[in-house]
Amino acid sequence: GAVVSQHPSWVICKSGTSVKIECRSLDFQATTMFWYRQFPKQSLMLMATSNEGSKATYEQGVEKDKFLINHASLTLSTLTVTSAHPEDSSFYICSARRHSQETQYFGPGTRLLVL
Amino acid sequence: GNSVTQMEGPVTLSEEAFLTINCTYTATGYPSLFWYVQYPGEGLQLLLKATKADDKGSNKGFEATYRKETTSFHLEKGSVQVSDSAVYFCALDTEQAGTALIFGKGTTLSVSS
Repeated sequence: GAVVSQHPSWVICKSGTSVKIECRSLDFQATTMFWYRQFPKQSLMLMATSNEGSKATYEQGVEKDKFLINHASLTLSTLTVTSAHPEDSSFYICSARRHSQETQYFGPGTRLLVL
Repeated sequence: GNSVTQMEGPVTLSEEAFLTINCTYTATGYPSLFWYVQYPGEGLQLLLKATKADDKGSNKGFEATYRKETTSFHLEKGSVQVSDSAVYFCALDTEQAGTALIFGKGTTLSVSS
């Protein structure tokens, strides 16, 4: 159990376009989902925390108008990179947890390349 | 604040060698501790975890013991394989509502045959 999926796994887009990444908890309801970003050979950097039905909480330095997060249901959160630029190219990973006493489960990641 | 410090890599070993990757933490309260593994081009997989002092997490031959007195959670394996080559992340979870995991910087392990 506790499987988290992400879609797409790979995306290549032109500069200026918007890209939506989905994160789904397949066999449990996630009250909280997290979005991370990972640059090559570096650790994960938390971007935002998303609770179902409420606005996401963004980490300092993360532009909320650039990275739109929607957590519309207990099994789905989406991250939209608006007007993507080459510097947004990265590996985006989501995680989900059922409630505060549980382990986080990670999605397989989405690799974004902006040309 | 809460933080995790891992030994810097890369760690290069021959097959069947003994592995230790050091991890120490700073946290208020009683966090849970984790080791995650990331294989090339993939997402993170939970390797093992421990939720309280003196707990030992183990999986696939890897072990780590939650040492509160030394605030450590070192990862060990008695005999590494080439397939263990990956990046290993130590992390802590304060388990407060809405808080994310805090990761170390990761340690790259390269095992040669």
